[in-house]
Amino acid sequence: DAKTTQPPSMDCAEGRAANLPCNHSTISGNEYVYWYRQIHSQGPQYIIHGLKNNETNEMASLIITEDRKSSTLILPHATLRDTAVYYCIVRANSGYSTLTFGKGTMLLVSP
Amino acid sequence: SAVISQKPSRDICQRGTSLTIQCQVDSQVTMMFWYRQQPGQSLTLIATANQGSEATYESGFVIDKFPISRPNLTFSTLTVSNMSPEDSSIYLCSVDAGQFAYEQYFGPGTRLTVT
Repeated sequence: DAKTTQPPSMDCAEGRAANLPCNHSTISGNEYVYWYRQIHSQGPQYIIHGLKNNETNEMASLIITEDRKSSTLILPHATLRDTAVYYCIVRANSGYSTLTFGKGTMLLVSP
Repeated sequence: SAVISQKPSRDICQRGTSLTIQCQVDSQVTMMFWYRQQPGQSLTLIATANQGSEATYESGFVIDKFPISRPNLTFSTLTVSNMSPEDSSIYLCSVDAGQFAYEQYFGPGTRLTVT
């Protein structure tokens, strides 16, 4: 699986949009971009995934650049409960390929 | 989605002993995964457990140290054998689920401290 690069930490004010970047310049054509988050003392939680089109669900939006070498996870109105480590993972959706977690981005949402 | 429970939620064990961690899922799943998260670190995959076959271990993890059972489609166990303080970690199980089995769901984890 391709490697990803994320900033180690980010801050965001409550109610503002949180934009978390991820670089995955070696991504292959059959690999998807996945985002998970881990709130302190909990197991990771799936957020969203996409191949090349932008995706949106009730939790977040995922913007993938046209060359697919980078992406941005957007939390439109961050709350204190969004404070967590966010992991960007590239994974092939063929068979049952595994998730390889990097160090992620620690997002701190402040009042 | 899948709801996953783990037992025990935490334990303190003496070095040289073994601990078996249980993972129960509320629906039948094909693949189950075991991860380790050392203090302050990210998650590392230990092994993949497919029902009816031997678990597949990642580099650096061996069956003698981390034997895994997968007796049916809703249950798995991970044993941490002959423990040392370096085994102090959170151990998490996860499953592929979701509409297209593309989403992976995680249990709450078992926090193990070895003294």
